[in-house]
Amino acid sequence: DSGVTQTPKHLITATGQRVTLRCSPRSGDLSVYWYQQSLDQGLQFLIQYYNGEERAKGNILERFSAQQFPDLHSELNLSSLELGDSALYFCASSVGVAGGILPNTGELFFGEGSRLTVL
Amino acid sequence: DQQVKQNSPSLSVQEGRISILNCDYTNSMFDYFLWYKKYPAEGPTFLISISSIKDKNEDGRFTVFLNKSAKHLSLHIVPSQPGDSAVYFCAASASWSNTGKLIFGQGTTLQVKP
Repeated sequence: DSGVTQTPKHLITATGQRVTLRCSPRSGDLSVYWYQQSLDQGLQFLIQYYNGEERAKGNILERFSAQQFPDLHSELNLSSLELGDSALYFCASSVGVAGGILPNTGELFFGEGSRLTVL
Repeated sequence: DQQVKQNSPSLSVQEGRISILNCDYTNSMFDYFLWYKKYPAEGPTFLISISSIKDKNEDGRFTVFLNKSAKHLSLHIVPSQPGDSAVYFCAASASWSNTGKLIFGQGTTLQVKP
C-alpha cells in the first residue's frame, strides 16, 4: 500500500461526457502528479501540483484540467470525452519535488490508478 | 518524441539466472534515473535509482548501470525469482528543473520461469 488513494477505481462513460478523478496523496506529501497510461503505452506525464500551485505541465489536452485543494487532495477533470481518452490514470505523490537527489526526494509514490473506459 | 525508450517489450528468463532490462534516453539534460516495477492491478512501485554522477548503484539483487556517453542504462536482477515477474519501467528526470517531472519508457514485461 503506497498510501496514495485514487477514486474511482473503474469508470465507464460515454463520449462527450465529463468525469472527475480524485486523488489523496500520502500523508505529508505536498506534490501530486497525474499520469496517463494508454494501451501498450508508457506513463505519459500530464501535470504536477506542489502545495496547491501548478508546477509542471506535460502533454495535457485542453479538455483536461486539474487542481490541488488546500487539504492537498487533487482532482483531474476530463471533459468532452473521446474514445481515445480510455486509459489508466495514475496519481502519484512525493514529499517535495521528486526526480533527483536531495533536496529533491527521488521517487514518486503511485496510487493504484483509475481505469476510464469511454464507450 | 519518445525521450525514454525501452526497446524490448518483453523478456523471459529462467529462475536463478540474470535478467537484464535496457533503457535508452535521448535528452542529455536528464541527470537522474529510476526504475519502477508494476504488478497487474497495482500502481508502479519504486525499485532503484541512480544519479548521473555515478555509473552504478546496487541494492540487494538489483543493480542499475548508467552509461552516459551512450545515453543508456540497464537494470540487472541477479538471481531472478518468479516474484520478479512484472512490468518494469525506466524513468528519467532533469533534477535541476526542480519540477519532479519523470519521463517514463514504455515498459518491459519480465517473465521469470520457475
